[in-house]
Amino acid sequence: DTAVSQTPKYLVTQMGNDKSIKCEQNLGHDTMYWYKQDSKKFLKIMFSYNNKELIINETVPNRFSPKSPDKAHLNLHINSLELGDSAVYFCASSQDSVRGSGNTIYFGEGSWLTVV
Amino acid sequence: GEDVEQSLFLSVREGDSSVINCTYTDSSSTYLYWYKQEPGAGLQLLTYIFSNMDMKQDQRLTVLLNKKDKHLSLRIADTQTGDSAIYFCAERSYNTDKLIFGTGTRLQVFP
Repeated sequence: DTAVSQTPKYLVTQMGNDKSIKCEQNLGHDTMYWYKQDSKKFLKIMFSYNNKELIINETVPNRFSPKSPDKAHLNLHINSLELGDSAVYFCASSQDSVRGSGNTIYFGEGSWLTVV
Repeated sequence: GEDVEQSLFLSVREGDSSVINCTYTDSSSTYLYWYKQEPGAGLQLLTYIFSNMDMKQDQRLTVLLNKKDKHLSLRIADTQTGDSAIYFCAERSYNTDKLIFGTGTRLQVFP
């Protein structure tokens, strides 16, 4: 079983559409994250949740909204997609934040989003 | 601020050792990580080191940490063609819990 799974893996959509990427972890972790990897492979954090509570909210457009229905799931919803949103989005999870017992962070396989 | 730097490319012959270097600026870094990304694939956690350690060995991988100079390295012994990938160094701050990634080092292994 995959520890951190994301769907869909590939998504091609038109500008202006609204889309969601789902993430689930079966590790029993309390903390989940979304990272974005741009075309130059640069990785940057977008959001983190600890036990369904938003902890980190980096400077991302309001069009991006994370939703955590329970601590095993962290979905990313994107409204009014733009060309610049094309990237790979990675979900990740950790047992806890770094101030708790969270030493390792495991990543999903990524979701390749292309906006045309 | 938080900044993590790596050299962009490294090319080695199969069977040789590879050493990938990384420097960081955040003195509150608690954990430092190495991730591997193969083409079209996700991020695979290779190893990590706690900031109060100076070395960690795991099979062919050796991580060295010089906390004074804020320098981290990953040594891969007996490098194989399957080791060709992008290697990311990352530091995790105790203050922010963010994982700050370096730019990645593209390792190419030739026969």
